[in-house]
Amino acid sequence: GAGVSQSPSNKVTEKGKDVELRCDPISGHTALYWYRQSLGQGLEFLIYFQGNSAPDKSGLPSDRFSAERTGGSVSTLTIQRTQQEDSAVYLCASSLTRSNTGELFFGEGSRLTVL
Amino acid sequence: AQSVTQPDIHITVSEGASLELRCNYSYGATPYLFWYVQSPGQGLQLLLKYFSGDTLVQGIKGFEAEFKRSQSSFNLRKPSVHWSDAAEYFCAVGGDDKIIFGKGTRLHILP
Repeated sequence: GAGVSQSPSNKVTEKGKDVELRCDPISGHTALYWYRQSLGQGLEFLIYFQGNSAPDKSGLPSDRFSAERTGGSVSTLTIQRTQQEDSAVYLCASSLTRSNTGELFFGEGSRLTVL
Repeated sequence: AQSVTQPDIHITVSEGASLELRCNYSYGATPYLFWYVQSPGQGLQLLLKYFSGDTLVQGIKGFEAEFKRSQSSFNLRKPSVHWSDAAEYFCAVGGDDKIIFGKGTRLHILP
């Protein structure tokens, strides 16, 4: 597609349920990033992929969070046993550049609300 | 570890006035520095970036930023703001490690 696509755009779930957030990057972009945006917290780094591998997972808040990328394209961020503090906008971005030096192209985000 | 600090959470300026948004970074090697803007209801967009060379970089929408290694700063400036510049601005640093962002500065414009 023309841009980074994220789905769902909005997700309301009950505490304790699992959720999956999907990111479809720009075709040909090798790098893919996940960030979390909460009020007053800016963009919190979660994880990034170069191809299908994740060199840095240090930003994942807990072992309830996981992410994968298949075929060097689509990525899924999974949150298990959601908690209210997981409520945020989850942003995905992709980049043509492999070395964390290039422009990031962001999706519109997935807004997660945990009741 | 790399870090980015944007000291000002909110800034208010009058339309037509000059603007400077502050950004300080910590990074062990040569930093790659970015400014992004997030307008209401819109996604993040790159304003400008610095990799090397001339320390004063020009971006879109009339913005510029100056890299000062001695101060570990990369402040964003605009000579005359427009009402459409009201948005949230994020400074970011990348390089060998991941790309991380500051907490943002929300810019308010007075008519």
